[in-house]
Amino acid sequence: EAGVTQFPSHSVIEKGQTVTLRCDPISGHDNLYWYRRVMGKEIKFLLHFVKESKQDESGMPNNRFLAERTGGTYSTLKVQPAELEDSGVYFCASSRGGSEGTEAFFGQGTRLTVV
Amino acid sequence: AQSVTQLGSHVSVSEGALVLLRCNYSSSVPPYLFWYVQYPNQGLQLLLKYTTGATLVKGINGFEAEFKKSETSFHLTKPSAHMSDAAEYFCAVKARAGRRALTFGSGTRLQVQP
Repeated sequence: EAGVTQFPSHSVIEKGQTVTLRCDPISGHDNLYWYRRVMGKEIKFLLHFVKESKQDESGMPNNRFLAERTGGTYSTLKVQPAELEDSGVYFCASSRGGSEGTEAFFGQGTRLTVV
Repeated sequence: AQSVTQLGSHVSVSEGALVLLRCNYSSSVPPYLFWYVQYPNQGLQLLLKYTTGATLVKGINGFEAEFKKSETSFHLTKPSAHMSDAAEYFCAVKARAGRRALTFGSGTRLQVQP
């Protein structure tokens, strides 16, 4: 079974540019999460999809961030326009629905550097 | 709101020595508890978790953790450190009802000296 896949693994962009991160969850996992770790601090929650619906987006920092999960499969996280403080590692995770949903499987992350 | 505190951002032990990584949580109701590990250039991997039942939980690679409700702690231990254990370790909690996202501690980087 393939794990959670994220790409690109690294991205370096200039301030003001747009970047789109992609996450392919484990097949059959209804729950998909985005997290971010900035500057060696704690990993923070951004948002949670259940299938194609946004269940919780309370962690999204501002309206420069847009997440989508069309068809309930892969998800994208777009940052537009990027700012210096957006630099960090963006993790995606997925889990099954229902009572099995206590364990989340993480991707390797996308390291975003805004210069 | 939940929170997680990991004491010590860096821990160094000698190979063969006991590993003890501390985690305390704050939650109105005992949550699910997790330890994740991140090896260099890799993603987060689940080490172990506590959901219900026995409070001493065994995980992969010889690690174990004990849930102590009275102390709101979930410390991670391994009797004998190996060089391959060098990594960053994250304690995390998840509410048993409602919000399903994880709340992480700030991480502890474990260094193993030969």
